[in-house]
Formats: sequence, structure tokens, C-alpha cells
Amino acid sequence: QSALTQPPSASGSPGQSVTISCTGTSSDVGGYNYVSWYQHHPGKAPKLMIYEVSKRPSGVPDRFSGSKSGNTASLTVSGLQAEDEADYYCSSYGDSNNFVVFGGGTKLTVL
Amino acid sequence: EVQLVESGGGLVQPGGSLRLSCAASGFTFNNYWMHWVRRAPGEGLVWVSRIITDGSGTNYADSVKGRFTVSRDNTKNTLYLQMNSLRAEDTAVYFCARGLGYTYAFDYWGQGTLVTVSS
Repeated sequence: QSALTQPPSASGSPGQSVTISCTGTSSDVGGYNYVSWYQHHPGKAPKLMIYEVSKRPSGVPDRFSGSKSGNTASLTVSGLQAEDEADYYCSSYGDSNNFVVFGGGTKLTVL
Repeated sequence: EVQLVESGGGLVQPGGSLRLSCAASGFTFNNYWMHWVRRAPGEGLVWVSRIITDGSGTNYADSVKGRFTVSRDNTKNTLYLQMNSLRAEDTAVYFCARGLGYTYAFDYWGQGTLVTVSS
């Protein structure tokens, strides 16, 4: 069982927006602004999409945005495109023992 | 171009050992913390281990503490994971990843190497 809770699936049509949630506790998501989001096409290297809740690495389209409220972080993908179909994982600083904790992943389907 | 290439995975019996390697290129390896993350079949990502720039500090997930050892050779730009006393639940694709400063994010990942623990 993953430390952070994500919905197993999400979907949207091309051009629409979809939001994926990531729920933790005050000891991880709610306690620090160290939430990250990763895109993973199976068989390929995961890709960092968002770090520190809402920052985008160079090269990540501004269609991807992140936010946080309390113990829940969110990733919003606007203007869905076919290539956005992938697994998405959230992560957060955990504690001194479990350095980083991940969510169970959300499979995003572009209809 | 930053590249991370894992190797060393394979089939091993329960109780056995395996050493994974991660060859890094395209960046100054000794300036970055490095991590191992794994994904078991049908499950999500799980952080495994971290090593700081000069190798003098390491951290491990509770599930592997005492069995796995992370190390690095900055002269060879290579990260290692020595895995001992392997269990069926260690079966996973193992990824190496580069730490992004002090953000607790991983900005580059390899494609992973599969470790299967089975008799």
C-alpha cells in the first residue's frame, strides 16, 4: 500500500482538462512544499513534470500545472493531447527514514 | 545530454545477491545526490535508497535496510546497488535517478533494470 493516495485512473477527451489528486498527511504532503509529479510511459524513463508543488522543469509544457491545499496536492493537465496518456505519480518528502514517498499512480487515458 | 543507464538485473533465487550498476553521463556526476527507486509488478513507485555526492552519507527505505547497500564511484561516474538476502517481494524494475538539488525531486531517470527473485 502506497503512502500517498491517488485515484487509479482518470480520463478526458483531447482538448479537455483533467485533474489528478494526491492525498497524504500533515507529515508529508501537508507539511512540506516538496511535492513532485512524474509522467511514466511504461518501458521508458519516468519524467519529472512538477517539483516543489508547482514548479515546472525546463521543457515541460505549461499545460501541466500543480497545486496543493492542505494534505492534498493536485496535477492539472489542460488541453489534453494523445501523448499525455501515461501513468502519473506524485511524491513528497517523507521523513528521515523514508526519504521520499510516492503515490500508487494514476493511469491517464485520453479518450 | 544527461543519460542514466542501469544494468545488472536478472533472475536470482530467494536469499541470493545481485549488484546493479547505473552508468551516468552528460553531467558532473560528483555534484549530485543519486537515488534508486523501484516499481514492483502492478504496483507504484517506491523509493529505495539515496547517496550523497561524495558517498559519505546514505539512506535506505525500511524495507531494504540491512540488506541493500548503495555506493558510487565518482571516478567511473557509476552508481551501484548491492542487494543481498533477496526476497520475492524485491522483484521489481529498479531505476536510478538524479536528485534535483534539495527539492526531494528526481530530474532524470534511467529506463530501469528488471530484478526477478524466484526459485
